[in-house]
Amino acid sequence: SQQGEEDPQALSIQEGENATMNCSYKTSINNLQWYRQNSGRGLVHLILIRSNEREKHSGRLRVTLDTSKKSSSLLITASRAADTASYFCATDYNDYKLSFGAGTTVTVRA
Amino acid sequence: KAGVTQTPRYLIKTRGQQVTLSCSPISGHRSVSWYQQTPGQGLQFLFEYFSETQRNKGNFPGRFSGRQFSNSRSEMNVSTLELGDSALYLCASSLLASGGTEAFFGQGTRLTVV
Repeated sequence: SQQGEEDPQALSIQEGENATMNCSYKTSINNLQWYRQNSGRGLVHLILIRSNEREKHSGRLRVTLDTSKKSSSLLITASRAADTASYFCATDYNDYKLSFGAGTTVTVRA
Repeated sequence: KAGVTQTPRYLIKTRGQQVTLSCSPISGHRSVSWYQQTPGQGLQFLFEYFSETQRNKGNFPGRFSGRQFSNSRSEMNVSTLELGDSALYLCASSLLASGGTEAFFGQGTRLTVV
């Protein structure tokens, strides 16, 4: 079974708008990572946030982590057409394995 | 530097056959993980290898096996293929362990079982 669950399953926004997606998980984790996947291709790593961190930024991306609620959020600001993709959170409570959620499909309309 | 290379990119096999998929990690990376991605089950962890040793295995039947060579290249094998094995198989390489550090994924091998 999957450790993380993303919400919403799908998101459609206008170019320039912000996109927010959430990830909830079940057990205590060491780290949480976010990945992007374009149309059935390989995954691209976006951000890793450790369990003792609360927020992290990378360019137009902002990730938060609330370990008390076992949840994380990914915010993409000023979205572009190139941000159209599926986004996955991945948790690890064991260093040798990543558990992925079902993903959020983001469509950015021009 | 070169990324993670998976070969072949596409495969069509018949039920009952076996298949071997290959993954060449980023130079210097010692950890290689394999994942199966299907529309119904999402991304499922298969196994992880580090320095030729399997450190973790997912909940898959024994028909799924893998190995890692001394140069860190890895192969996975699926025997007695079933229709449900049709999936995108992704390989990821990491410097040390996939959980604690960034994992770099290959483009995947799309396996279709007919």
